[in-house]
Amino acid sequence: EAQVTQNPRYLITVTGKKLTVTCSQNMNHEYMSWYRQDPGLGLRQIYYSMNVEVTDKGDVPEGYKVSRKEKRNFPLILESPSPNQTSLYFCASSLLGGEGGYTFGSGTRLTVV
Amino acid sequence: TQLLEQSPQFLSIQEGENLTVYCNSSSVFSSLQWYRQEPGEGPVLLVTVVTGGEVKKLKRLTFQFGDARKDSSLHITAAQPGDTGLYLCAPETSYGKLTFGQGTILTVHP
Repeated sequence: EAQVTQNPRYLITVTGKKLTVTCSQNMNHEYMSWYRQDPGLGLRQIYYSMNVEVTDKGDVPEGYKVSRKEKRNFPLILESPSPNQTSLYFCASSLLGGEGGYTFGSGTRLTVV
Repeated sequence: TQLLEQSPQFLSIQEGENLTVYCNSSSVFSSLQWYRQEPGEGPVLLVTVVTGGEVKKLKRLTFQFGDARKDSSLHITAAQPGDTGLYLCAPETSYGKLTFGQGTILTVHP
């Protein structure tokens, strides 16, 4: 089944403790992206990648890092999480130039206390 | 920064009613997508529109892209409780990148 898999689904952590949210897709998509979704603010792009070893900042990149060492994986790293990073995070992938749209993961609900 | 407005923000209707959701901007877009999101899940693609004036139908859902490719609408005929969810418009604002509207929360009561 074609899908984007995120882990974990839920995570509660403390301020300053480094964490990684994993994302993997099995569709051979070039484009991968991370979004955060907050009430009243909608979905905002954090980082994106157009291919292996190519990453770039989205609209709200502060406090986040990403890497794209393999085409299928695009982990999101929070080196020193803060309470304002409490949010619902989505990973998405797509074929570049196609009309197939984004395929989203099921989301990771992160709480930083 | 493009300003993208979706309206209404909330919509609560009875089963069988019709409704229209709007997505407006002052910018011209090469394409635009509509997604539906259910609680606890990621958004799921409904349709992509590319050509100005294009109309696409998906069962009871009708999508239209404005002639000038600055706006779009989603019309649902005879809404059902299963249509309940968050509807998001997402124009392509740069190559490969979608920018999402804040969405319309639709509740259809039996």
